Amino acid sequence: ETGVTQTPRHLVMGMTNKKSLKCEQHLGHNAMYWYKQSAKKPLELMFVYSLEERVENNSVPSRFSPECPNSSHLFLHLHTLQPEDSALYLCASSMTGGSYNEQFFGPGTRLTVL
Amino acid sequence: DAKTTQPNSMESNEEEPVHLPCNHSTISGTDYIHWYRQLPSQGPEYVIHGLTSNVNNRMASLAIAEDRKSSTLILHRATLRDAAVYYCILRDNNNAGNMLTFGGGTRLMVKP
Repeated sequence: ETGVTQTPRHLVMGMTNKKSLKCEQHLGHNAMYWYKQSAKKPLELMFVYSLEERVENNSVPSRFSPECPNSSHLFLHLHTLQPEDSALYLCASSMTGGSYNEQFFGPGTRLTVL
Repeated sequence: DAKTTQPNSMESNEEEPVHLPCNHSTISGTDYIHWYRQLPSQGPEYVIHGLTSNVNNRMASLAIAEDRKSSTLILHRATLRDAAVYYCILRDNNNAGNMLTFGGGTRLMVKP
């Protein structure tokens, strides 16, 4: 498998459930990102991991908890979400350092919170 | 990062050139201009980037104004597969986290 993969592609959960989104990159990158894309809003950066250390937490509520066990995997743990958290969650990866490193995005997980 | 302004939507005919404008009047000297696009039901993908000189690659061309306060993404021959939302993004080269700030983008519609 190549590129950035995300599982599941679709998820429906209740407000009391706990679930996790998974992202895997096969590109040898050392930085990974979570973005949220709500309907009719721009993509919002949520978290950034560089060399497995979190370097950005963009004022995201604590009901979203990221985990980066190694440079190839990134998780987003979800608990007690709200209906307004329904959105497309996108993962991306890139190299860091150097003049420019493009980000490669996965296809996203479409999350619906009931 | 400095802000960009793009039209909400544009229309083009298939096989004709498309010029997608972007204004960035508050650009700083260390800001690179990037373009990404998001096809329907997919994550964004990189298109092109530049600093001062015009740039060409297999997907598109990027024309940058001499004062760098605006730029234009040029698709030389639009196809139906180019229908997407195109994002113009400024990124400070000193941005160690390689973070991107997306705006609303321009939704390009291509008519057959």
